[in-house]
Order: sequence, then C-alpha cells, then structure tokens
Amino acid sequence: KQEVTQIPAALSVPEGENLVLNCSFTDSAIYNLQWFRQDPGKGLTSLLLIQSSQREQTSGRLNASLDKSSGRSTLYIAASQPGDSATYLCAVSPNYGGSQGNLIFGKGTKLSVKP
Amino acid sequence: DGGITQSPKYLFRKEGQNVTLSCEQNLNHDAMYWYRQDPGQGLRLIYYSQIVNDFQKGDIAEGYSVSREKKESFPLTVTSAQKNPTAFYLCASKNDRLNYGYTFGSGTRLTVV
Repeated sequence: KQEVTQIPAALSVPEGENLVLNCSFTDSAIYNLQWFRQDPGKGLTSLLLIQSSQREQTSGRLNASLDKSSGRSTLYIAASQPGDSATYLCAVSPNYGGSQGNLIFGKGTKLSVKP
Repeated sequence: DGGITQSPKYLFRKEGQNVTLSCEQNLNHDAMYWYRQDPGQGLRLIYYSQIVNDFQKGDIAEGYSVSREKKESFPLTVTSAQKNPTAFYLCASKNDRLNYGYTFGSGTRLTVV
C-alpha cells in the first residue's frame, strides 16, 4: 500500500533563507507527484506537478525534484518570504498499469517564515 | 475565471441531521472528488466520480452519499450514520484526458452542534 511521508512536520526559518521540504513514498510505481500549498482554513493551491518521466519542475522561486527510484521528492524554496508561510502538501498518483490512481497525500509540512 | 466553488463555507449540523455540501465546477472536468481533512491527518478520499451518473467509494465512504447528475456538480451528503462528521471537506476535479493535475475548491468546515 502506497504511503507518503513528509519531514519535517513543522519548520521555522528566518526570512531570506533557502529551504528544502522533503516527501518520500513507499512505492515507486507512480503516475505523477503534485505539491500543494494550503493556507489556514483554505483549500489547496497547486504549486507544481511532476510527471513520472520528469526529474524536476520549476515555477518562480519554487523547484521540485523527483527521484522515483528512491521514492523521494523535494520542494526547494529560494529566498523565503513571510508570505510563504503555509502548510505544504505532497501527493502522489499511483500508476496502475498505465492508469492514474487517486491521489495519496502526506500529512504536510507547516512552514513559518519569520520577518 | 474557471474554478471550483464549494458552499457553504461553514456548516453546522445537529445530531441526527443530514446535511448536503455543494461542489460546482466550470472547468469542464470529467472527474470530481471529495476529501475529508482532520487535524494531524492527511486528506482522505470519501467518494469520486469519473463520469456523469457514476461514482465510486473511496477509503472512508461510510456515512456519506453522493450524486453526479450533471458534469458540473458533485454534492456530498453527510448522513446521520456518520458518527464523527466534524471536519474540513474539500472538493476537487481533474481533466482525465489532459494530465494537468488536480484543482481544489476552498473547502467547507462542518461542525456538529
């Protein structure tokens, strides 16, 4: 059974620091992996989607990498800002013989960026 | 702008009452999903639908029901059989023909009073 783990559960950094959030999954047979941001009491905002054949995706100050064989993904945030404070969720879609399975989520990393 | 609209934002339910959460999308997505989020836990799948008039149970379907009479709408009913309904409920949709990932709504917070 696919399990997704995010470490650390919480992270506090000073403004301007570069940081890395980690996501690991137990089964390398994935269709894709998606990183989301969630602000308190709000829905999920999609940040980056990495297909199983890709190694990384970039959007602005965000870079997500995928190492399928080792079951790991990282989300790199450059020059962090207080506005980046939120919970970051990693989710994988299993690959069922070429068909995309439903999303399986980690519990998230709560990020706090201090001014 | 295209998106997913969930209503209401806050909902209060009395013991033994059924309540219905609304989810509407204008993205022309085929697939729609309902997730439940509890503090300290990951999102858990309640029900999903890949086509009109068809839906499947997710991991925690007991005490919930859905319908998919229109492509744009996927309402979730929390029945009195759901013993612990207080949670944050999220609706999502996806275009199965284009691999663009999932789009989520802003959520409904349900509280039992």
